[in-house]
Amino acid sequence: GAGVSQSPSNKVTEKGKDVELRCDPISGHTALYWYRQRLGQGLEFLIYFQGNSAPDKSGLPSDRFSAERTGESVSTLTIQRTQQEDSAVYLCASSLASGFAGQYFGPGTRLTVT
Amino acid sequence: GENVEQHPSTLSVQEGDSAVIKCTYSDSASNYFPWYKQELGKGPQLIIDIRSNVGEKKDQRIAVTLNKTAKHFSLHITETQPEDSAVYFCAARRGMKTSYDKVIFGPGTSLSVIP
Repeated sequence: GAGVSQSPSNKVTEKGKDVELRCDPISGHTALYWYRQRLGQGLEFLIYFQGNSAPDKSGLPSDRFSAERTGESVSTLTIQRTQQEDSAVYLCASSLASGFAGQYFGPGTRLTVT
Repeated sequence: GENVEQHPSTLSVQEGDSAVIKCTYSDSASNYFPWYKQELGKGPQLIIDIRSNVGEKKDQRIAVTLNKTAKHFSLHITETQPEDSAVYFCAARRGMKTSYDKVIFGPGTSLSVIP
């Protein structure tokens, strides 16, 4: 079946501009996560959505970052007034609600801020 | 806070040899331990996982072992092949049937299999 999809795959933007990244999770997966991965580095947790519960925003690095999710489907991550240090791959993952369920990752969006 | 350490950070093996990656976790409440493989330019892919009520799990050439007392878990890859070359991430989570807790990832191990 279809996996997690993300768009765009690549985004180049000028410093100071806003960007919006999209994630389409696997159908039926109620949990959705966003991570940031800088070049050659590990996974940095950003935000988590689970059903109708309040999202866990504890990983968002600044108030320039925000995310929304429509029901149990698509999610968008928005970065306002982008800075060069925002350049990274942004990964989305989804999973079933069970705490024993593994996460399924999308291919990521590579963001470059010039 | 919770932490997962992973060693080694880089690992090179000859094709056909075995590779072992070790992780330790700090949160004694963790009871679900997945492993992910990330190939260049792709998102991480779940390759195997283990729950805390199991000491070992195998799937073809890969196996994971867990020592709850020592809070250690390891990934074992036997008969390595060039296509096993990737970055591997371990993770720990307080898996519960009806609730969620954050997944804590290790920093990753870059595995190179030399033909």
